[in-house]
Amino acid sequence: DVKVTQSSRYLVKRTGEKVFLECVQDMDHENMFWYRQDPGLGLRLIYFSYDVKMKEKGDIPEGYSVSREKKERFSLILESASTNQTSMYLCASSLSRWGENTGELFFGEGSRLTVL
Amino acid sequence: AQRVTQPEKLLSVFKGAPVELKCNYSYSGSPELFWYVQYSRQRLQLLLRHISRESIKGFTADLNKGETSFHLKKPFAQEEDSAMYYCALTSNSWGKLQFGAGTQVVVTP
Repeated sequence: DVKVTQSSRYLVKRTGEKVFLECVQDMDHENMFWYRQDPGLGLRLIYFSYDVKMKEKGDIPEGYSVSREKKERFSLILESASTNQTSMYLCASSLSRWGENTGELFFGEGSRLTVL
Repeated sequence: AQRVTQPEKLLSVFKGAPVELKCNYSYSGSPELFWYVQYSRQRLQLLLRHISRESIKGFTADLNKGETSFHLKKPFAQEEDSAMYYCALTSNSWGKLQFGAGTQVVVTP
């Protein structure tokens, strides 16, 4: 059973703080994703990675960066948190074999970040 | 640019009544479409994908390329169907999904 684990379920940070959100998957998936989930806006892709040390910007990368030093771990970094980054952050992973992409994403439970 | 539109934010239906969640998309190529579901206090998970042509938990969805729609239907709603439903599209570009805004379904007894 695929497991995607997000280390922090709830975080409260102050404006300007640096925030790390960690995500680990245990199924040797190539692709990993960070989405933010907001009511009325659905899920919006922040960044994704299709291999170690590879990253691609999604639809809303501003104010975020990512790190993928190991295949199983994908970190989202807020260099200087702002109140408009208060949101639910979802990590996901998927299998990809040179086009054999089933499109099934496996999601973590989410990290709810509040920036004061 | 690809876009997924779910026009209903909230659908409230009675148990046993039919339910239809609308999803329209814009994409110039041949997309793959999915429905994801998030039950209360659970993680988001795949419900069904159009290429499988399967029925999951009584739900079906037909891809209509002419109308660029992928509506989700169930003939008899159950209370356990209460959840948030997201329509999603991928162009097979590294498997990243474009999600709609979501539809909250509430099934009342």
